[in-house]
Amino acid sequence: NAGVTQTPKFRVLKTGQSMTLLCAQDMNHEYMYWYRQDPGMGLRLIHYSVGEGTTAKGEVPDGYNVSRLKKQNFLLGLESAAPSQTSVYFCASTNPGQTYEQYFGPGTRLTVT
Amino acid sequence: AQSVSQHNHHVILSEAASLELGCNYSYGGTVNLFWYVQYPGQHLQLLLKYFSGDPLVKGIKGFEAEFIKSKFSFNLRKPSVQWSDTAEYFCASDYYGGSQGNLIFGKGTKLSVKP
Repeated sequence: NAGVTQTPKFRVLKTGQSMTLLCAQDMNHEYMYWYRQDPGMGLRLIHYSVGEGTTAKGEVPDGYNVSRLKKQNFLLGLESAAPSQTSVYFCASTNPGQTYEQYFGPGTRLTVT
Repeated sequence: AQSVSQHNHHVILSEAASLELGCNYSYGGTVNLFWYVQYPGQHLQLLLKYFSGDPLVKGIKGFEAEFIKSKFSFNLRKPSVQWSDTAEYFCASDYYGGSQGNLIFGKGTKLSVKP
């Protein structure tokens, strides 16, 4: 049981390049989330999904797109990377219920030059 | 807009000192509250959570938190910290009672424990 995994762990992009971050969970969770973590800002929600085939915007969605084609996977795309997207990206998952405890992946450190 | 505030950005303590980290949330309805910890270079892990019942919640590694509804607070405490508690701590509440599991995080408090 790997929990929540993310690939890649590190990536350096040039401004304007595109990439996709993959999140996978093996806990059969319905809900999945993408956050970015920046120093002094805590975690901010980018996009989330409450089920296969559904996505919704979070607090800071601009410049990102997501897809949830399979229940276990949640992809985060950057179509045209900008230096402001330099951050650590965390994926999380949970099941609907009373407490919504979220389980986090190890993170992807992205640098855009 | 709903928000979570953490009062301290960086706390420095010596081993065996007592710890209290402040957290306030803004939503007046029913909320679930969480404390997560992030050790250096690692992902977030749940320390403890409150959703109902006893307002004094005990978590892992000797941490506890008290939910005080009248003060909109959920402060984290530990009687005696260890060097291994050096980490960043995040308070979070679910958004408007957790309809979609979204969490609002505070900006985090870095704890440095001197050996």
